Amino acid sequence: EAGVAQSPRYKIIEKRQSVAFWCNPISGHATLYWYQQILGQGPKLLIQFQNNGVVDDSQLPKDRFSAERLKGVDSTLKIQPAKLEDSAVYLCASSSEGNYGYTFGSGTRLTVV
Amino acid sequence: AQSVTQLGSHVSVSEGALVLLRCNYSSSVPPYLFWYVQYPNQGLQLLLKYTSAATLVKGINGFEAEFKKSETSFHLTKPSAHMSDAAEYFCAVTRSSKIIFGSGTRLSIRP
Repeated sequence: EAGVAQSPRYKIIEKRQSVAFWCNPISGHATLYWYQQILGQGPKLLIQFQNNGVVDDSQLPKDRFSAERLKGVDSTLKIQPAKLEDSAVYLCASSSEGNYGYTFGSGTRLTVV
Repeated sequence: AQSVTQLGSHVSVSEGALVLLRCNYSSSVPPYLFWYVQYPNQGLQLLLKYTSAATLVKGINGFEAEFKKSETSFHLTKPSAHMSDAAEYFCAVTRSSKIIFGSGTRLSIRP
């Protein structure tokens, strides 16, 4: 089966600019996650979708981050405006309900200068 | 609340030596536990997972982990390290269908 697709792989922007990341999960996976991984740390959950509804966004900095999953398939994560501390790898993952089989994409490495 | 603690941010072993990466969990209910590996500039790859079946779990690339409830541990081992094992390793636990990760252990292999 095809894996979780993410784009772009790399992005460099200046602070205060906006940026968007895209994720296409494994076909049929109802649950989609966005994680932020700062260099030297473990991934931190930003938001969890079940189909096209938000299950948990308690760790999402909502003043600058937003995410959507229209039609319950692919998803976009946006940052506006970006700060230097947003430099990280943004990982998307998906899972089928009750399976506890999480599959991660290759991530988008964001550098804010 | 479920969480994991990885002991040692960096472990270095010689090629052919035993690999031991430590992970302790805290959970009020029987947990599902995972080990992931991350190679440079790549995403996370599942090594193995414990889902309350056998306590000794075998994974890919010769790795295995043992669930010890009495010690609240889920340490990762490999009998003989290979240069290709150099990577970052993450222990993780599920909580409300989400994966919560430890801070990671970087494994280096000396020739």
